Amino acid sequence: QKEVEQDPGPLSVPEGAIVSLNCTYSNSAFQYFMWYRQYSRKGPELLMYTYSSGNKEDGRFTAQVDKSSKYISLFIRDSQPSDSATYLCAMRGIELKAAGNKLTFGGGTRVLVKP
Amino acid sequence: DSGVTQTPKHLITATGQRVTLRCSPRSGDLSVYWYQQSLDQGLQFLIQYYNGEERAKGNILERFSAQQFPDLHSELNLSSLELGDSALYFCASSAQGRAGNTIYFGEGSWLTVV
Repeated sequence: QKEVEQDPGPLSVPEGAIVSLNCTYSNSAFQYFMWYRQYSRKGPELLMYTYSSGNKEDGRFTAQVDKSSKYISLFIRDSQPSDSATYLCAMRGIELKAAGNKLTFGGGTRVLVKP
Repeated sequence: DSGVTQTPKHLITATGQRVTLRCSPRSGDLSVYWYQQSLDQGLQFLIQYYNGEERAKGNILERFSAQQFPDLHSELNLSSLELGDSALYFCASSAQGRAGNTIYFGEGSWLTVV
């Protein structure tokens, strides 16, 4: 079983709809949670960054973390065709000298927003 | 533009050969990470360097090695290449390794082994 599970999709929605993405994880040591957007064969771009449990909003994006359930979500409001991409969740624990700062990624969910 | 620069962008080479991928981190970032992304494996952490020293190692093959130089740029060396090594190799960087620093990715080096 992978440490971080993410539905690969594809998730197809009409323009203007809310996109709902989520990841589950098994490692209770994870404290920092991130969402990256990756266009085809491009570098992942950081979208949202959250520490521990709670919600964070940035424009059309809302990230939620529920550590008790080991579940994180990303919502995209008023979706646009330009939001069509693969969305990757990533997470890590508190940095320790030995463990470093590495991120553990989900496999990514491909999202298609249709005009 | 994340500020992380990788070269070359594309590379085609034959099995058994050796290649070197280069990464320049964002200005001021001390940590460099290497990730491999293939179609069936997703993003896999390979190795991290912090200010010239190896900090963490992931699923990096013995045929692969990396280093970070005094000017903080990093190189990933891939040798005895196999078809299965074909993938996108990403470099990423972050600031001084405090908990909470975010990681920014370059555009990747696309390696094709034929």
